[in-house]
Amino acid sequence: SAVISQKPSRDICQRGTSLTIQCQVDSQVTMMFWYRQQPGQSLTLIATANQGSEATYESGFVIDKFPISRPNLTFSTLTVSNMSPEDSSIYLCSVAVRVWNEQFFGPGTRLTVL
Amino acid sequence: GQQVMQIPQYQHVQEGEDFTTYCNSSTTLSNIQWYKQRPGGHPVFLIQLVKSGEVKKQKRLTFQFGEAKKNSSLHITATQTTDVGTYFCAEGRSNYQLIWGAGTKLIIKP
Repeated sequence: SAVISQKPSRDICQRGTSLTIQCQVDSQVTMMFWYRQQPGQSLTLIATANQGSEATYESGFVIDKFPISRPNLTFSTLTVSNMSPEDSSIYLCSVAVRVWNEQFFGPGTRLTVL
Repeated sequence: GQQVMQIPQYQHVQEGEDFTTYCNSSTTLSNIQWYKQRPGGHPVFLIQLVKSGEVKKQKRLTFQFGEAKKNSSLHITATQTTDVGTYFCAEGRSNYQLIWGAGTKLIIKP
């Protein structure tokens, strides 16, 4: 298993600003993922964070809006850029240790954009 | 596209009643995983099913994988208030990604 921490746990931001969310894992992991979850909805994958290369983004998400860094095997950041109220959501990072196997999630970041 | 269908969206039960959520796919699933998300929490892995017809139990929870590996179910016997939350199924893929169902929210009626 893996223990994951996220910072900040919540934030209230003004439109037009940017917020960087940090995800720290207690062990080296192969894959890290960033999700967005609207209240009462399922999880939507934003991107897969690859160590040593650019993140792989899902349809509807672009690097300019959601730049991701993965400097090593235990840490990643997601930036939500030029925020609008539509970006208000919960952002979750997760890790996968082995292929075909389960993911472990951080506690999430609750973002409100005014 | 890649989809795992999950029903129902919500289920209201009296405490002590049973609860079931279903997932199905038009294509054969490699595996099926189940997660629980408590209100205000994050998804937590419950179990993975891999084999055709597989049945696994965790106390009052019973997980089944269909013979054709196109459907799965989670059944909770005699629900308790601690069971409240949203239950998600997800298929694990070879690229480490998960394909998520929409989730079923279990609500215990007072």
